[in-house]
Amino acid sequence: DQQVKQNSPSLSVQEGRISILNCDYTNSMFDYFLWYKKYPAEGPTFLISISSIKDKNEDGRFTVFLNKSAKHLSLHIVPSQPGDSAVYFCAASLYGGATNKLIFGTGTLLAVQP
Amino acid sequence: DTEVTQTPKHLVMGMTNKKSLKCEQHMGHRAMYWYKQKAKKPPELMFVYSYEKLSINESVPSRFSPECPNSSLLNLHLHALQPEDSALYLCASSQGTGGPQETQYFGPGTRLLVL
Repeated sequence: DQQVKQNSPSLSVQEGRISILNCDYTNSMFDYFLWYKKYPAEGPTFLISISSIKDKNEDGRFTVFLNKSAKHLSLHIVPSQPGDSAVYFCAASLYGGATNKLIFGTGTLLAVQP
Repeated sequence: DTEVTQTPKHLVMGMTNKKSLKCEQHMGHRAMYWYKQKAKKPPELMFVYSYEKLSINESVPSRFSPECPNSSLLNLHLHALQPEDSALYLCASSQGTGGPQETQYFGPGTRLLVL
């Protein structure tokens, strides 16, 4: 049972345009969401996060939007750059009283064309 | 500094070997994690240590044995692995101060191949 889903396995955009990566979740107990970027043969790099009490968080070119009623979040990258080409994972945090578990989506491969 | 280091970067082992993966962080984090990632799949949680105590074991087979000697170090001891255990093993850490809104920082991973 996939609790966090990224339905687009890949996305291609032109340099300078906006990239929109989507993520859906099923568990209403998730209260913190993160986006990670991953290059091949490297570990995931933290990009941006959002608490469930917010609907938007912005950091430079990256903005994450959260729609709790729809159980949907999205990552906007604008303007997109060729160096942004990587796999992007959405992750949801489940807090167990002492520690957190991250549940990852399946990832979206973003290709930014020069 | 959000660096988590892992050694070795690559490891090839036979099914009868015993080997260990190592992870280190100097961010003062008190929670450390092991994840396993198969090709074209998301990372999957294996173990969580909080204040050097094992707090989560995601029903991982006993051929994987974690150890947290101190708050900066995390080991994963491997014994009698199967070829299907070949994967990228990722270590992560977070502040561990409690509360749901903690960011986990990942190391570069160890690429393991079991022959």
